[in-house]
Amino acid sequence: SQQGEEDPQALSIQEGENATMNCSYKTSINNLQWYRQNSGRGLVHLILIRSNEREKHSGRLRVTLDTSKKSSSLLITASRAADTASYFCATVSFTGGGNKLTFGTGTQLKVEL
Amino acid sequence: EPEVTQTPSHQVTQMGQEVILRCVPISNHLYFYWYRQILGQKVEFLVSFYNNEISEKSEIFDDQFSVERPDGSNFTLKIRSTKLEDSAMYFCASSDTPGTGNEQFFGPGTRLTVL
Repeated sequence: SQQGEEDPQALSIQEGENATMNCSYKTSINNLQWYRQNSGRGLVHLILIRSNEREKHSGRLRVTLDTSKKSSSLLITASRAADTASYFCATVSFTGGGNKLTFGTGTQLKVEL
Repeated sequence: EPEVTQTPSHQVTQMGQEVILRCVPISNHLYFYWYRQILGQKVEFLVSFYNNEISEKSEIFDDQFSVERPDGSNFTLKIRSTKLEDSAMYFCASSDTPGTGNEQFFGPGTRLTVL
């Protein structure tokens, strides 16, 4: 698999339910970030978790990181229709010259009323 | 709230033509990036730029591509002779310092269509 593979590829849930997306990666990382992309739009940064952190919260978002398994999960609690978007994990390996983001394939989340 | 801007939002060009995509990063940021996203595929890194030089580039970023920071505010991506496969969304991003990890702020993108 490639660096940054999310599963599921697509997820459809009802408003109010929780949505969980997973990401796996292959190389060692400095940090892992989650981004959201509404259809045809730019990427919006959601949350960053460093390699020495295991869990992080931001509002309705909860991110976990397991460096031994090279995996991360993004949990969106109490989902809303406005959460409908594609979600990407992106890994960063510090190179000293500016951290490039290596994106995963993304999970398309649809939250239905 | 400061944001990254990109122009144009949509560029249509003929194969073989040169295009310049423009970006205005956030003013106090030092690191600049270009990424692209072919329709239905994942976002791919093209190049990073710091201190007026390329710090890293991907294998996609061949001799047909170049970047420039012509003044204190703009950051441009030039494709010298466009190919059909260059059709994609191109995103500019900027960040303040790499440090121990940093958030990159993305612009809304330029959709490039090569005919």
